[in-house]
Amino acid sequence: DIQMTQSPASLSASLEEIVTITCKASQGIDDYLSWYQQKPGKSPQLLIYDATSLADGVPSRFSGSRSGTQYSLKISRPQVDDSGIYYCLQSYSTPFTFGSGTKLEIK
Amino acid sequence: QVQLKETGPDLVQLTQTLSITCTVSGFSLTTYNVHWVRQPPGKGLEWMGAMWNGGGTDYNSAFKSRLSISRDTSKSQVFLKMNSLQTDDTAKYFCARHVITTYGDYFDYWGQGVMVTVSS
Repeated sequence: DIQMTQSPASLSASLEEIVTITCKASQGIDDYLSWYQQKPGKSPQLLIYDATSLADGVPSRFSGSRSGTQYSLKISRPQVDDSGIYYCLQSYSTPFTFGSGTKLEIK
Repeated sequence: QVQLKETGPDLVQLTQTLSITCTVSGFSLTTYNVHWVRQPPGKGLEWMGAMWNGGGTDYNSAFKSRLSISRDTSKSQVFLKMNSLQTDDTAKYFCARHVITTYGDYFDYWGQGVMVTVSS
């Protein structure tokens, strides 16, 4: 199974910062990587797919990138509403595997 | 519009079988895949398995042979059945639509989930 090592587990950021969350795959996943945001009590919502493509309706302050087998989600000048838990997902091969999640608080 | 809705029991007894139905609307099960994902309270997401649009299935081996996914295309329903439940199967169970495009694949719509507690 492909392991997705996500970091950090939690972080707190201000409105002026750039937030970066990373997921490192245990092997190559050919950009079969998506990012999701989950608010308390809600279902996950798609942010990024194919590692770098912004999902419909997602603000442009969200972006995705890749360096080797490490994938990153960046939020530029986050808003308070961006608080939540973020997960990466690899869909290169089954079993699909999620990262462990990053809890983000925007102060 | 696209919708997925999970229905199932709130409470299941230890060692019994869990049955959850995902009823979809706004798309066809013969065109899109539907996957099952679960989330224990306060923990992360775990992929359980898939019903592919062609009728095949895939399972997370972590569930060994306890898990079964099936569908009724005429009713637009996907079914999850898992037996020999233990207390660590207490979780919210989601179904999600899986889209495969030229540009990548992703889960674009999710149900609201059903919270299942396994009780002794």
